[in-house]
Amino acid sequence: GQNIDQPTEMTATEGAIVQINCTYQTSGFNGLFWYQQHAGEAPTFLSYNVLDGLEEKGRFSSFLSRSKGYSYLLLKELQMKDSASYLCAVMDSNYQLIWGAGTKLIIKP
Amino acid sequence: DAMVIQNPRYQVTQFGKPVTLSCSQTLNHNVMYWYQQKSSQAPKLLFHYYDKDFNNEADTPDNFQSRRPNTSFCFLDIRSPGLGDAAMYLCATSRYGPGTSGSVGEQYFGPGTRLTVT
Repeated sequence: GQNIDQPTEMTATEGAIVQINCTYQTSGFNGLFWYQQHAGEAPTFLSYNVLDGLEEKGRFSSFLSRSKGYSYLLLKELQMKDSASYLCAVMDSNYQLIWGAGTKLIIKP
Repeated sequence: DAMVIQNPRYQVTQFGKPVTLSCSQTLNHNVMYWYQQKSSQAPKLLFHYYDKDFNNEADTPDNFQSRRPNTSFCFLDIRSPGLGDAAMYLCATSRYGPGTSGSVGEQYFGPGTRLTVT
């Protein structure tokens, strides 16, 4: 079967750095997405990786290793507004998105 | 601004009473999706349309139906809502969709409709 694993919840301090990991086992691979979802709201797109390596976009970076079935989202200079769930999703060989359950990130002052 | 719009944002219905949720988009995207998301769970894909081509996920209950009368609009009909159908229903669009060789499209989500069943 297809599976996406992420930690359920993480806590970090305002101004710090946090890394949210995602491991996947899917039928084929056509890219990995990270979405941010604030409570009660819809997911919003953060990043897309299809090749190995690090993609940097401001305070957020996303890394992919296809051979290891592994990605992480790195958030720097954490702000209180970064408190949200972060969902990892993989596009499989049929171009269907397989979603993880999300990691709830709690930022403390 | 181009966007995905869902109405209503909050819907309360009675057990067994049919309800329709609506979604519209101004992005002119080919693909529209309906997801169900329960608290602290991953979004679960119910259906998607590639243009007018309807695709039903294998485990989507028969209680759920969908219509896409034109490119801009898509509806989710729940024929006889049960208590287990209380969830957030998310509509999303993408320019490219499943099976589109060599193309990958990020999905743009509407704000969602939170359905309560009493």
